[in-house]
Amino acid sequence: GAVVSQHPSRVICKSGTSVKIECRSLDFQATTMFWYRQFPKQSLMLMATSNEGSKATYEQGVEKDKFLINHASLTLSTLTVTSAHPEDSSFYICSAIHESSYEQYFGPGTRLTVT
Amino acid sequence: AQSVTQPDIHITVSEGASLELRCNYSYGATPYLFWYVQSPGQGLQLLLKYFSGDTLVQGIKGFEAEFKRSQSSFNLRKPSVHWSDAAEYFCAVGARNNDMRFGAGTRLTVKP
Repeated sequence: GAVVSQHPSRVICKSGTSVKIECRSLDFQATTMFWYRQFPKQSLMLMATSNEGSKATYEQGVEKDKFLINHASLTLSTLTVTSAHPEDSSFYICSAIHESSYEQYFGPGTRLTVT
Repeated sequence: AQSVTQPDIHITVSEGASLELRCNYSYGATPYLFWYVQSPGQGLQLLLKYFSGDTLVQGIKGFEAEFKRSQSSFNLRKPSVHWSDAAEYFCAVGARNNDMRFGAGTRLTVKP
């Protein structure tokens, strides 16, 4: 079946540093990927829609200069949290739309902790 | 705008008892509906989905859900709960190749 991976699965960084999270579709091509954020004991909230070769579309309230998204290929999207702060600590989940079936597949998530 | 409501934040059932998790949605067109399960610290696992056709959908792990358009509901059911079913359950609505909107989730606790 279609698999989406995320790397790293866990990351701890210091306040003020930047962190890059990768989302890869391993066995299919994805023209569209989504980035979600999940706070503890809460639901997933869509942050942005990432389309290959174009700028990401951010949801209202999400700072595009803080959460940089790059979708450089049909199998890779990256989310960079710039100048991270403790309030950025969260579980970040990506998903990818299979280019043929149009089904959406989720990655396993990345736990970010900013100290 | 599309939205999902899961009225029950937390449900506790005894092992072997039946389970029903409620989900109501609001969507402007024909909805695509999903149920996911998430164990602590883990990603999402798709239990089942409804796109069209038979309104009673069978999923993995013995789960099923019924789409009721008149009630805008897509409740998840399982006839006999196992201790390993304890987790967070999310209902979601969306188009097939678009982003999803998730409910707030229902945490399931299973008593021995």
